[in-house]
Amino acid sequence: GQSLEQPSEVTAVEGAIVQINCTYQTSGFYGLSWYQQHDGGAPTFLSYNALDGLEETGRFSSFLSRSDSYGYLLLQELQMKDSASYFCAVPSNNAGNMLTFGGGTRLMVKP
Amino acid sequence: EAGVTQFPSHSVIEKGQTVTLRCDPISGHDNLYWYRRVMGKEIKFLLHFVKESKQDESGMPNNRFLAERTGGTYSTLKVQPAELEDSGVYFCASRPTTLNTEAFFGQGTRLTVV
Repeated sequence: GQSLEQPSEVTAVEGAIVQINCTYQTSGFYGLSWYQQHDGGAPTFLSYNALDGLEETGRFSSFLSRSDSYGYLLLQELQMKDSASYFCAVPSNNAGNMLTFGGGTRLMVKP
Repeated sequence: EAGVTQFPSHSVIEKGQTVTLRCDPISGHDNLYWYRRVMGKEIKFLLHFVKESKQDESGMPNNRFLAERTGGTYSTLKVQPAELEDSGVYFCASRPTTLNTEAFFGQGTRLTVV
């Protein structure tokens, strides 16, 4: 089976940096993805890490350590619009099939 | 390009009634998935279509749930009869065969069973 753990809620102020952690237990590992979901909206793909290290896309970066079964999403220069839920997820195989999601981290950005 | 669209956006039904949810994937995406998020918990996999065939339905909770994808285009998910615990947000996602790393989600159908 597969399971992912992430904090349920994080609060930060505008302009700050926040890190959302995700630890996982999987029978096979094929990469770690991050999705963002605003209330009432569609989960939207942010990033995918297959190999160890940091991937940067604008203000958002994602990190993976396969030896530690751990990854994180780093959000810099926080903006109010970043308030949303963030989910880490792993695919069931390397064909990109079903995703297993963590419980989601609700990020609240305050002025 | 149109994204994944789901209909209806909200549905409130009484216990014992039937509800049918519809998903129109992105044109050309052979892979179509149904997921469900209940009570703010994790998003859970229900099933996966490749074209019109069910590839994996291991996440379907019980036989009150029936999914179809006739013709390999849009998909429907029927719940009959609905129970209180079926309440939640039902998401549809699609993915082209050529892309393994990203799924495109719809905005979901919020189902409330009262």
